[in-house]
Amino acid sequence: SQELEQSPQSLIVQEGKNLTINCTSSKTLYGLYWYKQKYGEGLIFLMMLQKGGEEKSHEKITAKLDEKKQQSSLHITASQPSHAGIYLCGADSRGSTLGRLYFGRGTQLTVWP
Amino acid sequence: SQTIHQWPATLVQPVGSPLSLECTVEGTSNPNLYWYRQAAGRGLQLLFYSVGIGQISSEVPQNLSASRPQDRQFILSSKKLLLSDSGFYLCAWSDGLAAYNEQFFGPGTRLTVL
Repeated sequence: SQELEQSPQSLIVQEGKNLTINCTSSKTLYGLYWYKQKYGEGLIFLMMLQKGGEEKSHEKITAKLDEKKQQSSLHITASQPSHAGIYLCGADSRGSTLGRLYFGRGTQLTVWP
Repeated sequence: SQTIHQWPATLVQPVGSPLSLECTVEGTSNPNLYWYRQAAGRGLQLLFYSVGIGQISSEVPQNLSASRPQDRQFILSSKKLLLSDSGFYLCAWSDGLAAYNEQFFGPGTRLTVL
């Protein structure tokens, strides 16, 4: 089965600082998905990456997928308290059960003013 | 646009009692539907998924069952709850015709079994 490792498990940064969250797969990724979750709420879809070397940005959040398609990073520039929450990566691999996504355990981000 | 609803938002139930959680999707047809459980420190665990009415696949053996009586309705049930069933339950949908499995999540149900 697909396994995703996220690091760090938790991150505490001061407002305005940049940060990076990593997601590493044991297998080649067919699609890599980033989600954000606030405590007690559902997951909000952020971005999906599918091609090696691909990079996407939304506001101050940039996600990249490496050329080998086994590692992704999520970078937040000039963090704000609104960025706080749990960030999860999810992935599917070619040949997986239809619709099956595997998720990492998440990275808890705290941004203090 | 598509929306996904879950209810109830929170639930406190005694051990041994039955359970029924409901999920409905609007604005799409023939979606793939999923039930996840999120427990502290264990990440997101897929419980069931469905590609059509009456079609349910179970990922892990457990005390729960799922049903899909209508195209956009997904129900999670139990006849007798265990303490270990406590957790945050999330329903999600994806476009069954899409090449990729981008999933969209509901607001979740917090279940506490006492």
